[in-house]
Amino acid sequence: KQEVTQIPAALSVPEGENLVLNCSFTDSAIYNLQWFRQDPGKGLTSLLLIQSSQREQTSGRLNASLDKSSGRSTLYIAASQPGDSATYLCAVSPPDYKLSFGAGTTVTVRA
Amino acid sequence: GAGVSQSPSNKVTEKGKDVELRCDPISGHTALYWYRQRLGQGLEFLIYFQGNSAPDKSGLPSDRFSAERTGESVSTLTIQRTQQEDSAVYLCASTLRSLNTEAFFGQGTRLTVV
Repeated sequence: KQEVTQIPAALSVPEGENLVLNCSFTDSAIYNLQWFRQDPGKGLTSLLLIQSSQREQTSGRLNASLDKSSGRSTLYIAASQPGDSATYLCAVSPPDYKLSFGAGTTVTVRA
Repeated sequence: GAGVSQSPSNKVTEKGKDVELRCDPISGHTALYWYRQRLGQGLEFLIYFQGNSAPDKSGLPSDRFSAERTGESVSTLTIQRTQQEDSAVYLCASTLRSLNTEAFFGQGTRLTVV
Protein backbone atom coordinates (compact mmCIF):
# COMPACT_ATOMS: atom_id res chain seq x y z
CA LYS A 1 0.00 0.00 0.00
CA GLN A 2 1.30 3.43 -0.96
CA GLU A 3 2.10 5.69 2.00
CA VAL A 4 2.66 9.40 1.45
CA THR A 5 4.29 11.50 4.17
CA GLN A 6 4.71 15.25 4.31
CA ILE A 7 7.20 16.96 6.57
CA PRO A 8 6.91 19.30 8.34
CA ALA A 9 3.25 19.24 9.34
CA ALA A 10 3.32 22.98 9.90
CA LEU A 11 5.67 25.80 9.01
CA SER A 12 5.74 29.48 9.95
CA VAL A 13 8.09 31.89 8.21
CA PRO A 14 8.49 35.65 7.84
CA GLU A 15 7.52 37.22 4.55
CA GLY A 16 10.25 37.02 1.94
CA GLU A 17 11.77 33.79 3.15
CA ASN A 18 11.92 30.80 0.82
CA LEU A 19 9.73 27.81 1.65
CA VAL A 20 10.80 24.16 1.36
CA LEU A 21 8.10 21.52 1.66
CA ASN A 22 8.89 17.82 1.57
CA CYS A 23 6.90 14.84 0.36
CA SER A 24 7.97 11.21 0.48
CA PHE A 25 6.25 8.08 -0.81
CA THR A 26 6.94 4.42 -0.23
CA ASP A 27 6.21 2.89 -3.65
CA SER A 28 8.18 4.33 -6.55
CA ALA A 29 5.78 2.81 -9.12
CA ILE A 30 3.95 6.06 -9.80
CA TYR A 31 2.82 7.76 -12.98
CA ASN A 32 2.99 11.30 -11.68
CA LEU A 33 3.09 13.46 -8.57
CA GLN A 34 0.94 16.51 -8.10
CA TRP A 35 1.16 19.39 -5.62
CA PHE A 36 -2.04 21.09 -4.47
CA ARG A 37 -2.91 24.07 -2.37
CA GLN A 38 -5.92 24.09 -0.04
CA ASP A 39 -7.26 27.20 1.62
CA PRO A 40 -9.40 26.82 4.77
CA GLY A 41 -12.86 25.51 3.94
CA LYS A 42 -12.07 25.29 0.24
CA GLY A 43 -11.32 22.63 -2.32
CA LEU A 44 -7.92 21.81 -3.76
CA THR A 45 -6.16 23.94 -6.34
CA SER A 46 -3.61 22.21 -8.54
CA LEU A 47 -0.19 23.86 -8.46
CA LEU A 48 2.19 21.59 -10.34
CA LEU A 49 2.12 18.17 -11.99
CA ILE A 50 5.37 16.26 -12.44
CA GLN A 51 5.37 13.24 -14.71
CA SER A 52 7.34 10.23 -13.52
CA SER A 53 9.88 10.79 -16.31
CA GLN A 54 10.53 14.40 -15.24
CA ARG A 55 12.94 15.68 -12.60
CA GLU A 56 11.33 19.05 -11.97
CA GLN A 57 8.56 21.42 -12.91
CA THR A 58 8.38 25.19 -12.50
CA SER A 59 5.57 27.71 -12.40
CA GLY A 60 6.35 31.27 -11.40
CA ARG A 61 7.76 31.28 -7.87
CA LEU A 62 7.07 27.56 -7.49
CA ASN A 63 9.49 24.81 -8.31
CA ALA A 64 8.91 21.13 -7.63
CA SER A 65 11.50 18.39 -7.92
CA LEU A 66 10.97 14.65 -8.14
CA ASP A 67 13.37 11.85 -7.30
CA LYS A 68 11.27 8.84 -8.12
CA SER A 69 13.88 6.24 -7.22
CA SER A 70 14.23 7.56 -3.68
CA GLY A 71 10.53 8.34 -3.33
CA ARG A 72 10.88 12.06 -2.70
CA SER A 73 9.54 15.34 -3.97
CA THR A 74 10.25 18.85 -2.78
CA LEU A 75 8.19 21.97 -3.39
CA TYR A 76 10.10 25.24 -3.26
CA ILE A 77 8.27 28.55 -2.98
CA ALA A 78 10.54 31.53 -3.51
CA ALA A 79 10.14 34.88 -1.74
CA SER A 80 7.08 33.86 0.26
CA GLN A 81 4.13 36.23 0.67
CA PRO A 82 1.26 36.27 3.20
CA GLY A 83 -1.03 35.09 0.38
CA ASP A 84 0.96 31.87 0.25
CA SER A 85 -0.47 30.89 3.63
CA ALA A 86 -2.42 27.67 3.07
CA THR A 87 -2.12 23.92 3.39
CA TYR A 88 -0.02 22.25 0.70
CA LEU A 89 -0.76 18.66 -0.26
CA CYS A 90 1.15 16.26 -2.45
CA ALA A 91 -0.49 13.32 -4.19
CA VAL A 92 0.95 10.42 -6.18
CA SER A 93 -0.82 8.60 -8.98
CA PRO A 94 -0.06 4.88 -8.75
CA PRO A 95 -1.01 2.11 -11.22
CA ASP A 96 -4.30 1.42 -9.42
CA TYR A 97 -5.35 5.00 -10.25
CA LYS A 98 -6.24 5.98 -6.68
CA LEU A 99 -4.51 9.23 -5.97
CA SER A 100 -2.77 8.85 -2.62
CA PHE A 101 -2.45 12.02 -0.56
CA GLY A 102 -0.16 13.15 2.18
CA ALA A 103 -1.65 14.82 5.26
CA GLY A 104 -0.33 18.20 4.13
CA THR A 105 1.93 20.96 5.38
CA THR A 106 0.19 24.02 6.80
CA VAL A 107 2.14 27.14 5.95
CA THR A 108 1.83 30.51 7.65
CA VAL A 109 3.70 33.46 6.16
CA ARG A 110 3.98 36.33 8.65
CA ALA A 111 3.81 39.86 7.30
CA GLY B 1 -18.49 25.94 -16.44
CA ALA B 2 -14.78 25.43 -16.84
CA GLY B 3 -14.14 23.64 -13.56
CA VAL B 4 -15.49 20.78 -11.47
CA SER B 5 -18.80 21.80 -9.94
CA GLN B 6 -20.20 20.34 -6.73
CA SER B 7 -23.58 20.90 -5.13
CA PRO B 8 -24.74 21.73 -2.62
CA SER B 9 -21.79 23.62 -1.18
CA ASN B 10 -23.15 23.10 2.32
CA LYS B 11 -25.64 20.58 3.67
CA VAL B 12 -26.97 20.22 7.19
CA THR B 13 -29.04 17.12 7.79
CA GLU B 14 -30.54 15.30 10.71
CA LYS B 15 -29.11 12.00 11.81
CA GLY B 16 -30.84 9.13 10.04
CA LYS B 17 -31.76 11.08 6.91
CA ASP B 18 -30.45 10.29 3.43
CA VAL B 19 -28.39 12.83 1.48
CA GLU B 20 -27.31 13.13 -2.14
CA LEU B 21 -24.20 14.99 -3.20
CA ARG B 22 -23.64 15.92 -6.80
CA CYS B 23 -20.47 16.32 -8.87
CA ASP B 24 -20.35 17.73 -12.38
CA PRO B 25 -16.89 17.02 -13.85
CA ILE B 26 -15.04 18.98 -16.48
CA SER B 27 -16.47 18.16 -19.89
CA GLY B 28 -14.53 15.36 -21.57
CA HIS B 29 -12.92 14.09 -18.38
CA THR B 30 -13.30 10.34 -18.28
CA ALA B 31 -12.10 9.70 -14.73
CA LEU B 32 -13.92 10.89 -11.63
CA TYR B 33 -12.96 10.49 -7.95
CA TRP B 34 -14.77 11.06 -4.66
CA TYR B 35 -12.79 11.80 -1.51
CA ARG B 36 -13.79 12.57 2.06
CA GLN B 37 -11.93 14.98 4.31
CA ARG B 38 -12.80 15.07 7.97
CA LEU B 39 -11.96 18.18 9.96
CA GLY B 40 -8.22 18.57 10.34
CA GLN B 41 -7.48 15.33 8.54
CA GLY B 42 -6.18 14.23 5.15
CA LEU B 43 -8.09 13.08 2.09
CA GLU B 44 -9.69 9.66 2.26
CA PHE B 45 -10.37 7.88 -1.04
CA LEU B 46 -13.97 6.73 -1.49
CA ILE B 47 -14.67 5.70 -5.08
CA TYR B 48 -13.24 5.99 -8.60
CA PHE B 49 -15.02 5.93 -11.98
CA GLN B 50 -13.24 5.50 -15.31
CA GLY B 51 -15.42 5.76 -18.39
CA ASN B 52 -17.81 2.84 -18.66
CA SER B 53 -15.64 0.47 -16.60
CA ALA B 54 -16.83 -0.95 -13.30
CA PRO B 55 -16.10 1.60 -10.56
CA ASP B 56 -13.50 1.01 -7.86
CA LYS B 57 -15.61 1.14 -4.70
CA SER B 58 -12.90 -0.12 -2.37
CA GLY B 59 -12.83 3.09 -0.32
CA LEU B 60 -16.51 3.27 0.57
CA PRO B 61 -16.63 3.01 4.40
CA SER B 62 -19.94 1.16 4.70
CA ASP B 63 -22.91 -0.06 2.70
CA ARG B 64 -24.68 3.17 3.59
CA PHE B 65 -22.50 4.84 0.98
CA SER B 66 -23.10 4.45 -2.74
CA ALA B 67 -22.26 6.39 -5.88
CA GLU B 68 -23.40 6.42 -9.45
CA ARG B 69 -22.15 7.94 -12.65
CA THR B 70 -23.86 7.83 -15.99
CA GLY B 71 -21.29 7.53 -18.74
CA GLU B 72 -18.77 10.35 -18.45
CA SER B 73 -21.12 12.88 -16.93
CA VAL B 74 -22.52 13.79 -13.55
CA SER B 75 -21.90 11.63 -10.49
CA THR B 76 -24.04 11.37 -7.38
CA LEU B 77 -22.77 10.21 -3.98
CA THR B 78 -25.57 8.99 -1.72
CA ILE B 79 -25.28 8.49 2.01
CA GLN B 80 -28.19 6.65 3.60
CA ARG B 81 -29.18 6.88 7.25
CA THR B 82 -26.54 9.50 7.96
CA GLN B 83 -24.53 9.34 11.17
CA GLN B 84 -22.63 12.10 12.94
CA GLU B 85 -19.32 10.54 11.90
CA ASP B 86 -20.32 11.19 8.28
CA SER B 87 -19.80 14.91 8.90
CA ALA B 88 -16.97 15.97 6.59
CA VAL B 89 -16.17 17.77 3.38
CA TYR B 90 -16.80 15.57 0.36
CA LEU B 91 -14.53 16.40 -2.55
CA CYS B 92 -14.86 15.38 -6.16
CA ALA B 93 -12.08 15.41 -8.76
CA SER B 94 -11.88 14.62 -12.45
CA THR B 95 -9.07 13.95 -14.90
CA LEU B 96 -8.91 13.85 -18.68
CA ARG B 97 -7.58 10.31 -18.59
CA SER B 98 -6.75 8.03 -15.71
CA LEU B 99 -2.97 8.27 -16.11
CA ASN B 100 -0.40 11.00 -16.44
CA THR B 101 -2.88 13.84 -16.30
CA GLU B 102 -3.70 16.58 -13.87
CA ALA B 103 -6.54 16.11 -11.39
CA PHE B 104 -8.92 19.01 -10.88
CA PHE B 105 -11.01 19.30 -7.74
CA GLY B 106 -14.33 20.91 -7.01
CA GLN B 107 -14.87 23.17 -4.01
CA GLY B 108 -16.46 20.37 -2.04
CA THR B 109 -19.69 19.81 -0.17
CA ARG B 110 -19.53 20.41 3.57
CA LEU B 111 -21.86 17.92 5.20
CA THR B 112 -22.93 18.39 8.81
CA VAL B 113 -25.04 15.72 10.48
CA VAL B 114 -26.81 16.95 13.61
